[in-house]
Amino acid sequence: DSGVTQTPKHLITATGQRVTLRCSPRSGDLSVYWYQQSLDQGLQFLIHYYNGEERAKGNILERFSAQQFPDLHSELNLSSLELGDSALYFCASRGGDSAGYTQYFGPGTRLTVL
Amino acid sequence: QQPVQSPQAVILREGEDAVINCSSSKALYSVHWYRQKHGEAPVFLMILLKGGEQKGHEKISASFNEKKQQSSLYLTASQLSYSGTYFCGTETGNTPLVFGKGTRLSVIA
Repeated sequence: DSGVTQTPKHLITATGQRVTLRCSPRSGDLSVYWYQQSLDQGLQFLIHYYNGEERAKGNILERFSAQQFPDLHSELNLSSLELGDSALYFCASRGGDSAGYTQYFGPGTRLTVL
Repeated sequence: QQPVQSPQAVILREGEDAVINCSSSKALYSVHWYRQKHGEAPVFLMILLKGGEQKGHEKISASFNEKKQQSSLYLTASQLSYSGTYFCGTETGNTPLVFGKGTRLSVIA
């Protein structure tokens, strides 16, 4: 158990819908990262938040957005869902913002778009 | 810049050794290694920092060649539990980890 929690574990929805994925970082960790992993693919970085502020964006679609709240939990919002958005979505947390900190992954949310 | 991992896949018999390589075209500050079982979260194995020493974890160790911007993960006397996909993640400074495409390792009895 990494200490990072994600809900829900599974999500099944239809094309065009909107969903929200939730992540709670390890106690004391200020950084949250979101990744997308499609079937048998690598980990694609989406976005990074540090202590409530957006720090970096990766290959995140305009239909996707995220935020980190004062209690440090983060939410990833996916809208106008398409079949290709079906994937595992992981969040990860780390204690600091600078290089060298270990990054711990949550169990993931499996999103299926029908 | 995504690091390049090799090989893409490897099959071992129990007790055999394996080496997984990770290389980058950019100057690296650190290399992180993870193992992921199918459908599960990546699990942290070890981190190697620029100027740091070679790391070890039971029968899994790793090295970091700063001059070549390469890291290698060594698995010795492999066990069935070592099966999974191994990812390296690289940092070039205060930037998010960028992961390679992974190396699929299968250990058979």
